[in-house]
Amino acid sequence: ETGVTQTPRHLVMGMTNKKSLKCEQHLGHNAMYWYKQSAKKPLELMFVYNFKEQTENNSVPSRFSPECPNSSHLFLHLHTLQPEDSALYLCASSQTGGPSTDTQYFGPGTRLTVL
Amino acid sequence: GENVEQHPSTLSVQEGDSAVIKCTYSDSASNYFPWYKQELGKGPQLIIDIRSNVGEKKDQRIAVTLNKTAKHFSLHITETQPEDSAVYFCASFSGGYQKVTFGIGTKLQVIP
Repeated sequence: ETGVTQTPRHLVMGMTNKKSLKCEQHLGHNAMYWYKQSAKKPLELMFVYNFKEQTENNSVPSRFSPECPNSSHLFLHLHTLQPEDSALYLCASSQTGGPSTDTQYFGPGTRLTVL
Repeated sequence: GENVEQHPSTLSVQEGDSAVIKCTYSDSASNYFPWYKQELGKGPQLIIDIRSNVGEKKDQRIAVTLNKTAKHFSLHITETQPEDSAVYFCASFSGGYQKVTFGIGTKLQVIP
């Protein structure tokens, strides 16, 4: 266990559904991240939160909406997704999100399938 | 933007042999290069990393080398064991976590 948990582990949803992914870290870190891992593609950084403030949004479509209520919890709200959004969504945390490039600890991911 | 190429995409080795995975990057500002191991059903786990002011780093059976001039870095695993079988990813960071590019991954199979 890395200290980062994600729920649910698997999610199947239709294109008109609204769902949320949850991530929780028990490491006392201050930075949290969402990544997308698609088959045959490199891991893509989606969002970065540092001390609950969003510091990066890598041109992610608005149908993905992150929320970070505190340094331990991170959500990814999903609505009107497309089949090409099917992927493994990984959450990670690190001590800080600054230039020191601290080690990131990843959760096990949520396998999302959009029908 | 940054481009990271990782080779090979798959690698099979006999138990006890060495495995080498290579990555090249394009951004000369990149300064941090971690390697991750991802087992089935799990998220990536950092196994070793190197910063741009170091040429080589070793941790037991795992080592990483960095050639800044040529813009490439490599992962070396010696005395491979079946539990080393997994997908390995390299990454290149510049400007903290604001700019990160991952390699496409190498599936390593260690044959007993």
